[in-house]
Amino acid sequence: GAGVSQTPSNKVTEKGKYVELRCDPISGHTALYWYRQSLGQGPEFLIYFQGTGAADDSGLPNDRFFAVRPEGSVSTLKIQRTERGDSAVYLCASSLRGGSSTDTQYFGPGTRLTVL
Amino acid sequence: EDKVVQSPLSLVVHEGDTVTLNCSYEVTNFRSLLWYKQEKKAPTFLFMLTSSGIEKKSGRLSSILDKKELFSILNITATQTGDSAVYLCAATNSNSGYALNFGKGTSLLVTP
Repeated sequence: GAGVSQTPSNKVTEKGKYVELRCDPISGHTALYWYRQSLGQGPEFLIYFQGTGAADDSGLPNDRFFAVRPEGSVSTLKIQRTERGDSAVYLCASSLRGGSSTDTQYFGPGTRLTVL
Repeated sequence: EDKVVQSPLSLVVHEGDTVTLNCSYEVTNFRSLLWYKQEKKAPTFLFMLTSSGIEKKSGRLSSILDKKELFSILNITATQTGDSAVYLCAATNSNSGYALNFGKGTSLLVTP
């Protein structure tokens, strides 16, 4: 596709449930990033993939959060035992090469997660 | 800890006004500063600045970086209602160049 796409656009779940959020990067982009944006805040870095591997997952808040990118393209962010504090917009971005501060990241529209 | 601070947090102007948005940063091993425009959810890329004193320009938008005083400004001239958005500033460092460290954003509302 032309840009980064994310599904679903909105997800409402109950506390304690498991959710999966999907990101489809720009075709040909090797690097993929997940960010989380809470209301009134800027996005916060969660994890960075170079190809299939997670090169940096230092931003994941705890072990309930996990992300995969098995074929080096689509990525899934998985959240177990969701908590109300997980409610936020989850943004995905991709870039051509990655690993460089001068490689522009292009963002998707995000998934708004609401945990009741 | 690296920090990016934007001001003002919100701003209301009339169509045709010129606005200046501010971004200051404290980043170890600073590498680049970026500006994004966020309407609804997806941040869209505006500028990346790495060199001090060189203005980047795109239509009515321009931005400049001052690496000595550790800040950047984003100027929008002849504002239009379509400029209404949250403007995000982010910095990167050489250690983990890919992780964008964002400020809270400036919410700009341009009224007719």
